[in-house]
Amino acid sequence: QKEVEQNSGPLSVPEGAIASLNCTYSDRGSQSFFWYRQYSGKSPELIMSIYSNGDKEDGRFTAQLNKASQYVSLLIRDSQPSDSATYLCAVRGDNYGQNFVFGPGTRLSVLP
Amino acid sequence: EAGVVQSPRYKIIEKKQPVAFWCNPISGHNTLYWYRQNLGQGPELLIRYENEEAVDDSQLPKDRFSAERLKGVDSTLKIQPAELGDSAVYLCASSLAGATYEQYFGPGTRLTVT
Repeated sequence: QKEVEQNSGPLSVPEGAIASLNCTYSDRGSQSFFWYRQYSGKSPELIMSIYSNGDKEDGRFTAQLNKASQYVSLLIRDSQPSDSATYLCAVRGDNYGQNFVFGPGTRLSVLP
Repeated sequence: EAGVVQSPRYKIIEKKQPVAFWCNPISGHNTLYWYRQNLGQGPELLIRYENEEAVDDSQLPKDRFSAERLKGVDSTLKIQPAELGDSAVYLCASSLAGATYEQYFGPGTRLTVT
């Protein structure tokens, strides 16, 4: 079992719809969770961090964390073509030596 | 505030040649990371520094890779000799120790070994 799993996609949504990106992780002791956006040929850009169960909203982005289910998600409301990118989930915790472990990413395509 | 700076942005070398990458982290960030990212995959940690100390180099192929972070600021990652399988993007990131540990990436160096 991989440490951090994501559907590779591509996930295609129409412009204006809600895009839902999911991530599961194997280490129950993980403490910090991050979503990065990576455009083709560019480096990852931090868009959200979440540390406790529940929802965290920032503009059109909402991160959701459920530690009991070892599941973290990212919702993008009113999706725009400029949101088309690969979204990386990253997890940090003591059992990873306080390092970040990244999932393979989900490629999102927002269709005009 | 300036972000993480890396150079060069692109490098093409022949196998068995040496190559070096340089990184300057965000000012004040004491933690520095080197990652390697292959196409279609997430970044994989090579080494993490806390100030001058390499606190985790377990994933660094030490037979050919080396790194240093003198004075706890900028860092250099070296490969000698390079192999075809080293072709990847090498990313540097930094973070400030604390409750959030939010990590920020530089633009990366795309290495092609021919």
